Amino acid sequence: GQNIDQPTEMTATEGAIVQINCTYQTSGFNGLFWYQQHAGEAPTFLSYNVLDGLEEKGRFSSFLSRSKGYSYLLLKELQMKDSASYLCAVLDSNYQLIWGAGTKLIIKP
Amino acid sequence: EAQVTQNPRYLITVTGKKLTVTCSQNMNHEYMSWYRQDPGLGLRQIYYSMNVEVTDKGDVPEGYKVSRKEKRNFPLILESPSPNQTSLYFCASSSLPGQGTDTQYFGPGTRLTVL
Repeated sequence: GQNIDQPTEMTATEGAIVQINCTYQTSGFNGLFWYQQHAGEAPTFLSYNVLDGLEEKGRFSSFLSRSKGYSYLLLKELQMKDSASYLCAVLDSNYQLIWGAGTKLIIKP
Repeated sequence: EAQVTQNPRYLITVTGKKLTVTCSQNMNHEYMSWYRQDPGLGLRQIYYSMNVEVTDKGDVPEGYKVSRKEKRNFPLILESPSPNQTSLYFCASSSLPGQGTDTQYFGPGTRLTVL
């Protein structure tokens, strides 16, 4: 079966750095997405990786290793508004999106 | 403004009373899908559509119907709602998978309660 694993919840301090990991086992691979979702709101796109390596976009970076079935989202200079759930999703060989359950990130002052 | 709209945003209904949740996008996207989101389970795809008159089942299609008569609209129909369909529903659209960045644009969500 297809499976995406990410931690259920993480806590970090304002101004610090946090890394959210995602491991996947899917039928094929056509890209990995990270989305941010604030409570009660729709997910919003953060990043897309299809090749190995690090993609940097401002305070957020995303890394992919296809051979290890592994990705992480790195958030720097954390702000209170970064408190949200972070969703990892993989596009499989049928171009169907497989979603992880999400990681709830709590930022403390 | 590029957007996906859903209506209604909130709905409380009773078991067995047919309902429709509308979804519309203005980005000329071919691909549209419906998800439900439940605590601890993440997003689960109900149905998706690659183009007009083309629909396919996702992971949890039981109890739901969809139609795609026009490119911009993708309504979700619950013919006989049951309490286990109480959930938060999202409609999403994107370019065809594999032909772009495949970024999904989500509607604001519909919170459905079935009593």
